[in-house]
Amino acid sequence: GDSVTQMEGPVTLSEEAFLTINCTYTATGYPSLFWYVQYPGEGLQLLLKATKADDKGSNKGFEATYRKETTSFHLEKGSVQVSDSAVYFCALYSGGGADGLTFGKGTHLIIQP
Amino acid sequence: EAQVTQNPRYLITVTGKKLTVTCSQNMNHEYMSWYRQDPGLGLRQIYYSMNVEVTDKGDVPEGYKVSRKEKRNFPLILESPSPNQTSLYFCASSPNTGPQAFFGQGTRLTVV
Repeated sequence: GDSVTQMEGPVTLSEEAFLTINCTYTATGYPSLFWYVQYPGEGLQLLLKATKADDKGSNKGFEATYRKETTSFHLEKGSVQVSDSAVYFCALYSGGGADGLTFGKGTHLIIQP
Repeated sequence: EAQVTQNPRYLITVTGKKLTVTCSQNMNHEYMSWYRQDPGLGLRQIYYSMNVEVTDKGDVPEGYKVSRKEKRNFPLILESPSPNQTSLYFCASSPNTGPQAFFGQGTRLTVV
């Protein structure tokens, strides 16, 4: 079945540091890939997505590129802020049915001033 | 404002006492689902619904029931809650099957 693997953390960085959160996946066919963000006390929000190989999703300074050859979708940001502290979830959707999203376990990111 | 609304946000109950967590969306979405979030396990799908009167099991359906009598509402029912159902629950909706799900703010349930 489909699965998503991501580093769990917590990941602690200083403000303005470079961020990478790794995400790899296993899926049948050609899934769509997503990053969701969960701020403290809130539900999940879609951060960015990519629907086919080599697509780059971007939003709020975050980027992720769909790499079919390495089955990866790593999240990056050049300069993080304290307000980026949250839990980040990588997810995929294979389509072809009603299975919904398959999520990774989430990465807790802590940015220190 | 487009949103998914869950109630209650927090609930403490006792083992065996039936409860319902409500979920309502105002976006006319066909697809709705329930997830539970547990430390170290991420989000796992409990049940989903493709449309009115169409529901199906997700990955962890045991101990839960759902209904979809109207398009906007998708309540989660725990007939006889047990402590292992203590968790953070999220309802989500999408305009079609799968991506770009809109999530509610979550319901933190504690079963003692």
